[in-house]
This record gives sequence, structure tokens and C-alpha cells, in this order.
Amino acid sequence: KQEVTQIPAALSVPEGENLVLNCSFTDSAIYNLQWFRQDPGKGLTSLLLIQSSQREQTSGRLNASLDKSSGRSTLYIAASQPGDSATYLCAVSPYYTGANSKLTFGKGITLSVRP
Amino acid sequence: GAVVSQHPSRVICKSGTSVKIECRSLDFQATTMFWYRQFPKQSLMLMATSNEGSKATYEQGVEKDKFLINHASLTLSTLTVTSAHPEDSSFYICSARPPGVASYNEQFFGPGTRLTVL
Repeated sequence: KQEVTQIPAALSVPEGENLVLNCSFTDSAIYNLQWFRQDPGKGLTSLLLIQSSQREQTSGRLNASLDKSSGRSTLYIAASQPGDSATYLCAVSPYYTGANSKLTFGKGITLSVRP
Repeated sequence: GAVVSQHPSRVICKSGTSVKIECRSLDFQATTMFWYRQFPKQSLMLMATSNEGSKATYEQGVEKDKFLINHASLTLSTLTVTSAHPEDSSFYICSARPPGVASYNEQFFGPGTRLTVL
């Protein structure tokens, strides 16, 4: 059974700092990995999706890397801003088995960026 | 593109009543939709997979007679919480997957529905 772990559960940093959020998973047979952002009381916004054959994806100040063999992914946020404060979740999809492929989520990391 | 909506965003009901939550894909057709619930400071837990035109597939431990799912069209899935009790209070989120391998199994999520059962 796939398990996804995100440690620490919470993180507080001053504005402007570069930071790394970690995600680990137990079963390396994945199809892809996604990073999401969730604001309090809101749904999920997809940030980056990395296919199992890829090593990283970039979008603006965000960079996500994937090391499938070691079961790890990192989300790098450059020059953090107070508006980045949210919970960040990673989720993995098992090797593609059709339309019902399910995501397994970590519990998320709640990030607070202090002005 | 790839927008998913949910209605209502928030609902408060009395114990014993039934509540229906709608999930719509606004700009794409979704043969598959997923229903999740999320407790405070916990991750999303998949409840069921909803397939257009067929019965939903429920995860282990989820009562199919309590959480009724209907996926009557390619843009709409509904979750009905029957005879709701306070322990059903939670944040319910749906997601939809565009068809085709090219979508890389990416799911797009709705804004969620906060259910409070008194």
C-alpha cells in the first residue's frame, strides 16, 4: 500500500527566504506526482505535475523535482512571499491502470511566510 | 480551462436529514470523477470513484448506502449523504479527470463543500 509522508507538518519562514518542502513515498511504481496548494477552507489548486520519466518541472518561482528510485520529491519555492502561505500537499498516482487510477495524498505542510 | 465547481460551498443541516452535493466540470467532459473527504489537519481520503453511466466504486470502509453517488452525465456527479449524523461533518471535495491518456491522469479539484451536521 502506497504511503506518502510530508515532514514537517508546519513551517514558518521570513519573507524572501528560499525554501524546500519535502515529500516521500514508499512505492516507487508511480505514474506521476503532483504538488497542490490548499488555502484554508478551499479546494486544491494544482501547482506542478511531474511524470515518472521526468526529473523536474518549473513554474515561475516554483520548482519540483522527482527522484523516483529513492521515493522522494521536493518543491522549491524561491523568494517566498506572504501570499505563499498555504498548505502544500503532494500526491502520487500509481502506474497507469486506466481511468480509475487513484491519487494517494500526504497530509500536507502548512507554510506561513512572515512579512 | 479545466474548471470544476461544487455546490453548495457550505451547508448546515439537522441530524437525520439528507444532503446532496453537486460536482460539475465546467469546460470539459469527465467520464471519471472522484469524491474525497478531509478532516481538519488531515489529508484527503478517497471515498469513491464515480463513473459516468455506471455504478460508483467505493473505497474500503465507505458505506455505499450512506454516501450515494450518481454520475448521470459527463459533466455532473452528485454525492448524497443520507441520514446525516454529526460524525459526517467534514469537508467534501470532488475532482474530475479529463479523458484521454494525454491528460497524464491529472485531476482537477473543486472548491469543496463544508458540511456541518447539528
